[in-house]
Amino acid sequence: GAVVSQHPSWVICKSGTSVKIECRSLDFQATTMFWYRQFPKQSLMLMATSNEGSKATYEQGVEKDKFLINHASLTLSTLTVTSAHPEDSSFYICSASLWTGGEKLFFGSGTQLSVL
Amino acid sequence: AQKVTQAQTEISVVEKEDVTLDCVYETRDTTYYLFWYKQPPSGELVFLIRRNSFDEQNEISGRYSWNFQKSTSSFNFTITASQVVDSAVYFCALSEAGYKLSFGAGTTVTVRA
Repeated sequence: GAVVSQHPSWVICKSGTSVKIECRSLDFQATTMFWYRQFPKQSLMLMATSNEGSKATYEQGVEKDKFLINHASLTLSTLTVTSAHPEDSSFYICSASLWTGGEKLFFGSGTQLSVL
Repeated sequence: AQKVTQAQTEISVVEKEDVTLDCVYETRDTTYYLFWYKQPPSGELVFLIRRNSFDEQNEISGRYSWNFQKSTSSFNFTITASQVVDSAVYFCALSEAGYKLSFGAGTTVTVRA
């Protein structure tokens, strides 16, 4: 089946630094990828929809300058948390859509971000 | 407004018991998709099922079964003869257009040996 690789699995950084998370579709091309955020013991909240070659569409309340999304190719989307602060600590998950005669979503394994 | 409601926050059962997870959704669209995902402690999301709004046929896959009722806007999930490995958080999700998923709050299932 289709595989979505997310890297890194976890990252610890100092407050004020920027962190980049990569989401790759390994064996298929994904024109659309999604970024979710999950706080401990809570549901996944959609942050933004990433479209290859165009600007990402952010959900209400998500700071686009804080969470930079780049979808430069059909197999790679990146989420950069800029000037991270402790409140940005969270679990971030990406997903990619694939049309298989019935569109399906495949999720990455997630990235745990801890900002000290 | 909450689009997907999973009223049960936590469910604890003893191994071999059946467990049913409730999911109620809200949408004005006639075409939509419903999903169930499993999130084990490791964090990744495991796809369990996708059902489109025109297919109300119930489905069984091994020990898993799903009951989709449009009349009550429900898409319930049952694990039969639960096992310890079933312990996880289970999410119900709704997609109305463009594959943006709205997730329910999740139900934590703990299966005790």
